[in-house]
Amino acid sequence: DVKVTQSSRYLVKRTGEKVFLECVQDMDHENMFWYRQDPGLGLRLIYFSYDVKMKEKGDIPEGYSVSREKKERFSLILESASTNQTSMYLCASSSNPQGAGNTEAFFGQGTRLTVV
Amino acid sequence: AQKVTQAQTEISVVEKEDVTLDCVYETRDTTYYLFWYKQPPSGELVFLIRRNSFDEQNEISGRYSWNFQKSTSSFNFTITASQVVDSAVYFCALSELNRDDKIIFGKGTRLHILP
Repeated sequence: DVKVTQSSRYLVKRTGEKVFLECVQDMDHENMFWYRQDPGLGLRLIYFSYDVKMKEKGDIPEGYSVSREKKERFSLILESASTNQTSMYLCASSSNPQGAGNTEAFFGQGTRLTVV
Repeated sequence: AQKVTQAQTEISVVEKEDVTLDCVYETRDTTYYLFWYKQPPSGELVFLIRRNSFDEQNEISGRYSWNFQKSTSSFNFTITASQVVDSAVYFCALSELNRDDKIIFGKGTRLHILP
């Protein structure tokens, strides 16, 4: 079974802290994604990566950065956490066989981050 | 640009009724992929179906069926004889076949199945 694991289910951080959200997948997928989910706004793409050391901005990258040093791991970094970054964060991965388009994305269980 | 619209924010139906969740998408690509996901109360998104833009055949899987119509840019999802376990948030998503591999989601439809 494909597994996408996020390091924490719940996190509470203080304003101004640097926060790391970690995500690991075990299916050798090329693509990895970070979304945030807020009531009434659905899932919004923060960053994604289609290869090691590659990253692309999604729709709401401001205030975030990412790191992909290894294929299986994709980290989301909040450089200086703010209260408006309180949200549910979802990591996902998918494969993209040459010319076949994205297969379905597999999601982690989510990290509910509260910034106080 | 890609866009996915799920106009229904919340739907409530009584158990055993049929219910259709609407999804309308926008894309400039001729090759793209559409998805439906279910998010039960536990929170983890569960993949339901993937469809490519060249395959307009409707699909049925048990009580679930999907109606893909390129002419109206719609990919609607119907649950027949709904059950309480179908209560969840359902997301429609779109991915284009190009170097930009991102998957864009709609805002979701929260479905309540009342016993």
